[in-house]
Amino acid sequence: EMVMTQSPATLSVSPGERATLSCRASQSVSINLAWYQQKPGQAPRLLIYDASTRATGIPARFSGTGSGTEFTLTISSLQSEDFAVYYCQQYNIWPPRFTFGQGTKLEIK
Amino acid sequence: EVQLVETGGGLIQPGGSLRLSCAASGFTVSSNSMSWFRQAPGKGLECVSVLYSGDDTYYTDSVKGRITISRDNSKNTLNLQMNSLRPEDTAVYYCARGLAAPGMMVFPFDHWGQGTLVTVSS
Repeated sequence: EMVMTQSPATLSVSPGERATLSCRASQSVSINLAWYQQKPGQAPRLLIYDASTRATGIPARFSGTGSGTEFTLTISSLQSEDFAVYYCQQYNIWPPRFTFGQGTKLEIK
Repeated sequence: EVQLVETGGGLIQPGGSLRLSCAASGFTVSSNSMSWFRQAPGKGLECVSVLYSGDDTYYTDSVKGRITISRDNSKNTLNLQMNSLRPEDTAVYYCARGLAAPGMMVFPFDHWGQGTLVTVSS
């Protein structure tokens, strides 16, 4: 069974600084990996797909890297609106399908 | 503009049934792969079911035999019929559109509704 593990669980960063979030898959997902942002009371928002492609309308300060089992989301200069929970999701054909990590909460330091 | 609006949630007793609907605008549901996700209070996201554009379906193990995904082409809606509900089914249910060309089986989800809350409790 596919398991996605995100680290850290909580990340405290000051506005203007860089944030680096990690996601590990228990089996290779190639580049079939997406990152989502979720704010309280809101639906998830697609940020990155295919490990490194920014979704429509996503600012360039968001970038993704990785393949296989190790992935990283980097936010280059944090803005106030970036403080949220971030989820990675694999969409390779591993059961269970479309599996999410447990999330990283990005909070203001 | 793509928009998804879920309805049908509410408070239901264990063993009861609910039918969730997701009204889509700005695109055609039947031409896209669509999914239902859920998020239990304070928890992460889980894929409940997928209806692929080619009509294949996927259900997570915990809902097999109890939940059926379908689309109504005349109304441009995605539906989720949920039977034999359990307290552990309590969650906000989101519908989402797959970012996929027809026939693709691997894809992320680029548009999400705001969700509808299902509470299973006596």
